[in-house]
Formats: sequence, C-alpha cells, structure tokens
Amino acid sequence: GAVVSQHPSWVICKSGTSVKIECRSLDFQATTMFWYRQFPKQSLMLMATSNEGSKATYEQGVEKDKFLINHASLTLSTLTVTSAHPEDSSFYICSAPLGTGGGGYTFGSGTRLTVV
Amino acid sequence: QKEVEQNSGPLSVPEGAIASLNCTYSDRGSQSFFWYRQYSGKSPELIMFIYSNGDKEDGRFTAQLNKASQYVSLLIRDSQPSDSATYLCAVRSGGFKTIFGAGTRLFVKA
Repeated sequence: GAVVSQHPSWVICKSGTSVKIECRSLDFQATTMFWYRQFPKQSLMLMATSNEGSKATYEQGVEKDKFLINHASLTLSTLTVTSAHPEDSSFYICSAPLGTGGGGYTFGSGTRLTVV
Repeated sequence: QKEVEQNSGPLSVPEGAIASLNCTYSDRGSQSFFWYRQYSGKSPELIMFIYSNGDKEDGRFTAQLNKASQYVSLLIRDSQPSDSATYLCAVRSGGFKTIFGAGTRLFVKA
C-alpha cells in the first residue's frame, strides 16, 4: 500500500519550454505532498510543500513562478517547470507522508529532467 | 541552520560483514529519525524509523539513536551485494518537514 505514482520517469526538453510532472497517490489520499530536487551525488533538497486546495509553500531560494505546483485533488499533485534551462536539469522526486508522517514518507519513482 | 551530516563514503565491506552507517544532526528538537536506501537513478525507499533512544531491530537492520549525542546509526548485519546503495539519514523536527543528509555510499564486495 501507500504507493505514489510519478510520471514521466524521464523527459528531455528544449530550453525555454515547460515540462509538467505528475504525482498520484494510488491507494490513499495525500493532503500534503513534497517536491524534491536531487543533483548527482547530492542530497534531496526540498523545493516546496504542496497542500490540497491551497497554495504551495516554497523553500527559500525556489522561484514559485518558475516551479508551478498544483494540488487540485487529494490524489494528484503536479509540478510544472516553466521556461526550463539546462541548469534545471535534475532528478525531481515527489513524496507523501505515510499516515500522519510519523512513519516516514513514500516516494514517487522520480523524474529525470534533461534540458538541452 | 538545521543540518544532517553523513560521511559520504564510499564504505566498503565484504559480504557477510556488518556495515555501520552513521549520522549526526544539529537540531536538538528533532523528534523522528529515518533511514532510506537509494539505488542509483532511483528514488529513496524507507528502511526504518526510530523515535526513542536505544536500538530498534528489523531483520538484518538495526537503528540506534542517542539523542544526547545527537547521533543516529544504522547497522546492517550479514551484508549482501544487493545492499550496495546510498543510505540517506533523514531527521524531522516538527510538522512534516524533513531534512536529509547527503547520504553514505555503501559497497558490499562479493
């Protein structure tokens, strides 16, 4: 149980275009989802917390107009990277709390974004 | 600045040995501690969590927590080549926000 499905698993896009990444909770309702970015051999860096029915909370240094987050339902959160540039190339991962969060998180399978 | 520190490794152990992974954290108010395993190119998967001082065992894995020393460790007994991965320590202070360490790469030699 507690599976988060993330799509696409990889995407290559041209510089200046936008890319949408979806995360769906398959067998539970996720009122909160977290979006992380991970560069090679580095840790997961929290980008934003998405809350169903309200605005996302962004971490310091993350441009909310560039990384658009929508959490319109209890099972779907999306991250759109707008006007992507090569420096946005990274591994993007979503996660949702297990239960009340005390038991950790379940992660989506990740999206490898390459901007050329 | 809340931090979670891990030795990046790589830590190399022979098959069948005990692998010991360590993590320190800076926020004394931290309440929950997690160990995740991440294979290359994949997303993390939860191995164990621990809240209270002492040891917590689950199969070949034992998590150890010492809040006074702000230290948490993961022991892997009878290490297998399939255990080769990066192990992430994660710490939660309050609410849902969790801080991840940079991870320790473990190699188990057959």
